Formats: sequence, structure tokens, C-alpha cells
Amino acid sequence: DAGVIQSPRHEVTEMGQEVTLRCKPISGHNSLFWYRQTMMRGLELLIYFNNNVPIDDSGMPEDRFSAKMPNASFSTLKIQPSEPRDSAVYFCASSLQGQRGEAFFGQGTRLTVV
Amino acid sequence: GEDVEQSLFLSVREGDSSVINCTYTDSSSTYLYWYKQEPGAGLQLLTYIFSNMDMKQDQRLTVLLNKKDKHLSLRIADTQTGDSAIYFCAESTNTGNQFYFGTGTSLTVIP
Repeated sequence: DAGVIQSPRHEVTEMGQEVTLRCKPISGHNSLFWYRQTMMRGLELLIYFNNNVPIDDSGMPEDRFSAKMPNASFSTLKIQPSEPRDSAVYFCASSLQGQRGEAFFGQGTRLTVV
Repeated sequence: GEDVEQSLFLSVREGDSSVINCTYTDSSSTYLYWYKQEPGAGLQLLTYIFSNMDMKQDQRLTVLLNKKDKHLSLRIADTQTGDSAIYFCAESTNTGNQFYFGTGTSLTVIP
């Protein structure tokens, strides 16, 4: 397996624009996580899905953020409208619940909102 | 949510041992993990320990778990410049497939 695949790797957008980040988890994994990493706040869990169902979205900063998982092989994180303070590296991770369960991370999307 | 605490920075000289510490609050943790993040990359699992173990050794890495004090440490023997990275402590619990990460410790190895 190619691992967790995120796209794009880098995104630069203007304030107010919509941004969509994409993630393809490892085949067969049933849990998917979205994290945000900044220098100030470190690694923060935004939301996680289990069997395509959102289980905990308490980390989503505000209503401008939304995440979907329409099927087991794809998830999106959308920010609308984007703001400069959303600039961060966004990581997607997947895991197989019931096993040792460690999370496998994608390479991340570096988002810059100007 | 659960708290996982780490110190932010650590500097060591090449060849010395590094010890990175972590404390956590959830006593129902099942597994505890150490992840490594190199510059510009995602997090990669370095090692893990099951909560009923006290110690795990893997080549230059030694993980110590004090369950009573909820304290986890990662010792890197003979630290090399390639070990410079951010190290994250994480736990997963029985209450759900949830991972709680610390803020990460940035290890700098001085040649």
C-alpha cells in the first residue's frame, strides 16, 4: 500500500477563498483522523471518523471548517471562507481499530492563507 | 479530552544519550506510542509499548513506562545528528479509537 495520501502538498490561497484538502486512507483502515499542526499550538485533533461516521468533531475550530467521508477510501476537509490564521500543516491519518491501532500519517498539506 | 504533556525542546551532544519525557492523564490507556517527525514530513511511528509492560528495548531506543505515575520516557542511546527531529508521545484508550498526542519535543543534536 502507498500509505495515506494527501493532496495537495502545498496550497496558497487568498483570504476568503474556499479551500478543500483531500485524503485517501490506507486500504482496509476503518478510522480516519484530521490533525492541524502549528508552531503555537502543536498538533491538534480536528475530527475523527470511524467506519465513515464522524465520531468526535469537538476539535473543529468553528463553523468555517467542515469534514466529510463519503466512503471508506476518501475524506475531505473544507475551510470556507479561509482566514490567515488557518495557515498550518494539516495531516490526515488512518488506523485499523481493534489491532494495535497505531495511526499512519500522510505527508501533510501546508496551507498558507494570505 | 486527555492531557499528554511533553517538554518543548531538548539539546544533546552527538554520542550522548537523549531522554524525552511524557506524562499523561488517562489511566485506561491501552497503548502508548512514540512518533518521530522529520522536517517537512509527516509523523512516523518509532516504537510503542503496551500498557501492561514496564520497558521495551529496540536497538538504540528504550521505552520506560511508569503506569503508577503515568510517565513515559524515550531514551535514545548514542544520539546521532540524524536523530534531530520532533518526537511525539501519544496514547490510545479503551474508550474509543482515539489518539491523544503531546505537543512534541524538538530534539537538537549538536555535532
